[in-house]
Amino acid sequence: DADVTQTPRNRITKTGKRIMLECSQTKGHDRMYWYRQDPGLGLRLIYYSFDVKDINKGEISDGYSVSRQAQAKFSLSLESAIPNQTALYFCATSDLRSDTQYFGPGTRLTVL
Amino acid sequence: RKEVEQDPGPFNVPEGATVAFNCTYSNSASQSFFWYRQDCRKEPKLLMSVYSSGNEDGRFTAQLNRASQYISLLIRDSKLSDSATYLCVLGEAAGNKLTFGGGTRVLVKP
Repeated sequence: DADVTQTPRNRITKTGKRIMLECSQTKGHDRMYWYRQDPGLGLRLIYYSFDVKDINKGEISDGYSVSRQAQAKFSLSLESAIPNQTALYFCATSDLRSDTQYFGPGTRLTVL
Repeated sequence: RKEVEQDPGPFNVPEGATVAFNCTYSNSASQSFFWYRQDCRKEPKLLMSVYSSGNEDGRFTAQLNRASQYISLLIRDSKLSDSATYLCVLGEAAGNKLTFGGGTRVLVKP
């Protein structure tokens, strides 16, 4: 089984809809991250969390919110989706002792 | 100026050849450096960390030049399976936050 899982893997939605992307991990890592990737651009950090009670904005947090329900779960919400939020979204985890981040398989989101 | 800049490529490489490419960065306070590999529509995976003394892992060699603020990746004896996008990644001094370059695409052809 994969250590970092994301659901759904693909989602098509309409402008104005609320969408939640979920991430779960079995690696026992404290730190979790949400990124988006657009064609030709690097991954950009949306939000990150260093433990259950810690939430931090990243480079591009506007239009997004997150919830860290447990050490193993970190969800990303788009309260009112817009077309320029169409992208590939990745969740990642890391532990305290290393900079290495481990990524989930990604969620491809299309907002029409 | 982007924090991390990479030539997007593609670098078309004959199988068995050597290919090298660089990544330049603007934040002189960056403390850790990595190359990640990303296959089409898949998640990035760590290829190797880059140390000040340079490091080698099989056919892959990474170098760091702090004075000129660039890191490099060299792939020897290229395999078809090396075809991927290679992401240059920098880490902050604290906090595990990473900054990603846009990636360099490598296509190894028979």
